[in-house]
Amino acid sequence: AQSVTQLDSHVSVSEGTPVLLRCNYSSSYSPSLFWYVQHPNKGLQLLLKYTSAATLVKGINGFEAEFKKSETSFHLTKPSAHMSDAAEYFCVVRFMEAGGGNKLTFGTGTQLKVEL
Amino acid sequence: DGGITQSPKYLFRKEGQNVTLSCEQNLNHDAMYWYRQDPGQGLRLIYYSQIVNDFQKGDIAEGYSVSREKKESFPLTVTSAQKNPTAFYLCASSISGSTDTQYFGPGTRLTVL
Repeated sequence: AQSVTQLDSHVSVSEGTPVLLRCNYSSSYSPSLFWYVQHPNKGLQLLLKYTSAATLVKGINGFEAEFKKSETSFHLTKPSAHMSDAAEYFCVVRFMEAGGGNKLTFGTGTQLKVEL
Repeated sequence: DGGITQSPKYLFRKEGQNVTLSCEQNLNHDAMYWYRQDPGQGLRLIYYSQIVNDFQKGDIAEGYSVSREKKESFPLTVTSAQKNPTAFYLCASSISGSTDTQYFGPGTRLTVL
């Protein structure tokens, strides 16, 4: 069964310090993996995705994530947090259904707080 | 300006009433999706449609209905049979049903009074 686990429901960092949001997945084959960001009362915006090319994926707004198959992890990082990064972040895994459908499984989200 | 629009942004409904949420896209995407989001939970799939005039149930379809008569439109009806309809509803689309990246609309917050 496919599943995704976000290890922290809340993360708090100071502005200018590094961000680490952790995500582990379970999949019977190499999955496609995504990180989305959601600001309050808004839709989800795609930050980055991994689809079996380079294991280090660069996204928008200075975020990047590294796919580690041996650890079944896809952690999201940013070298220096900005106040505008405060939002909820979702790790998502995609698997194909028997009929070829595109089904996503979402983690429960990590709320990032950035303090002055 | 391409994208996905959802209306209204906020919706209030009395118990026992059906209500329809709108989702429109001008991205020329074949596939469209409806998700429900509750606090502290990830998104859960309600219905999806890979092509016009076809749709499939997701994980939590009970109490909901959809139609896909036009490529650009995928309205969701929340019926009185839905036991706990208060939630944030998100619509998404992708180029095709087998394309992995989904793009999301801004959402509709439904509150049952």
